[in-house]
Amino acid sequence: NAGVTQTPKFQVLKTGQSMTLQCAQDMNHEYMSWYRQDPGMGLRLIHYSVGAGITDQGEVPNGYNVSRSTTEDFPLRLLSAAPSQTSVYFCASRFRDRSSYEQYFGPGTRLTVT
Amino acid sequence: EDQVTQSPEALRLQEGESSSLNCSYTVSGLRGLFWYRQDPGKGPEFLFTLYSAGEEKEKERLKATLTKKESFLHITAPKPEDSATYLCAVQAGTSYDKVIFGPGTSLSVIP
Repeated sequence: NAGVTQTPKFQVLKTGQSMTLQCAQDMNHEYMSWYRQDPGMGLRLIHYSVGAGITDQGEVPNGYNVSRSTTEDFPLRLLSAAPSQTSVYFCASRFRDRSSYEQYFGPGTRLTVT
Repeated sequence: EDQVTQSPEALRLQEGESSSLNCSYTVSGLRGLFWYRQDPGKGPEFLFTLYSAGEEKEKERLKATLTKKESFLHITAPKPEDSATYLCAVQAGTSYDKVIFGPGTSLSVIP
């Protein structure tokens, strides 16, 4: 199993540009989510999905869009990048079964917006 | 407001010097508390889930405990390879999918 994979690892954008961060998992997990991690702050939930075709907003959704057309993939779209979106982005997945909340995280994408 | 705090922010230990990390939480309806380890430049790695006060979990030199207001991650005789940031998170409230992370404790173990 590759686990949770993310691409790209690094990205530099100019203000106003758009891009998509890719996330894929091969563990047949129903639940997938996107977090951002900033210095001195905990991981903050951006968007999440409990299955294909179902998405919902997390704590900091503004400026980001998601879709879930398959179980495996959960891309995160930045519509018009802003310097405040400079951060490290992590994708995570887990089974939706309430008996286990163990999340598996990807290696992250480090995004800089100039 | 649901909140998770961790202390200390950073901790330096000599190899073999045992200590504890603290995670305090104020949430409505705790469903579970999690500990993760994060190495520089990598994603968090799951360590433990605790569900109720009094519960304990162990893994190698790590032991996690839970009370009604806080959790401790005890590190016994740490080694340099235990150096990492340790994150605490809680699953709370009526929203099944809401997870709140603390800011983490950066642990350095000096040989």
